[in-house]
Amino acid sequence: NAGVTQTPKFQVLKTGQSMTLQCAQDMNHNSMYWYRQDPGMGLRLIYYSASEGTTDKGEVPNGYNVSRLNKREFSLRLESAAPSQTSVYFCASSERSLIPLHFGNGTRLTVT
Amino acid sequence: AQKITQTQPGMFVQEKEAVTLDCTYDTSDQSYGLFWYKQPSSGEMIFLIYQGSYDEQNATEGRYSLNFQKARKSANLVISASQLGDSAMYFCAMREGLVTGNQFYFGTGTSLTVIP
Repeated sequence: NAGVTQTPKFQVLKTGQSMTLQCAQDMNHNSMYWYRQDPGMGLRLIYYSASEGTTDKGEVPNGYNVSRLNKREFSLRLESAAPSQTSVYFCASSERSLIPLHFGNGTRLTVT
Repeated sequence: AQKITQTQPGMFVQEKEAVTLDCTYDTSDQSYGLFWYKQPSSGEMIFLIYQGSYDEQNATEGRYSLNFQKARKSANLVISASQLGDSAMYFCAMREGLVTGNQFYFGTGTSLTVIP
């Protein structure tokens, strides 16, 4: 019963480097989300995917791209990392119903 | 305007006492859901309790209850008989338009410290 799995758990990048955060869920959920968490800011939505084949921008999409590879997987890509992208990133999934978001354990990213 | 407002950055409570964490929300939808999550120092997000906008009874889950006042647009979390393990960040969240909507909005959180 893995739920939502994120990789990697930690990552350090230099400014300008690129990387992809991976997320997979095994609950057959339609909707998947990427959030970032910064101190005092709560969780802010970067992108979400309501269903396989669709993606939409959230509150803070600049500097990020996403891919909904299939129903299970939703990846977040930083093409050219900036120090302002230092944060904890959470992937989550849900159904189109009254159940809550299920979160992965997060990725702590530092950009130097 | 903020969709979710949590006005208490930090709270302290004595062990075994009850504590209320405040949450107000802003929506024009008739159909929405309200959620509370706990984030301990280890970092994971743990779902605690849910309240639907059409639910007439306040939600309860063990020591957690949600004081839902629809007219005031508030959804306060009440933790009874606090335990040391309740020390954590608590986030209030809302999902609008439950049939078609997909965005969850989060507040900035309240840090709860339980004092022995």
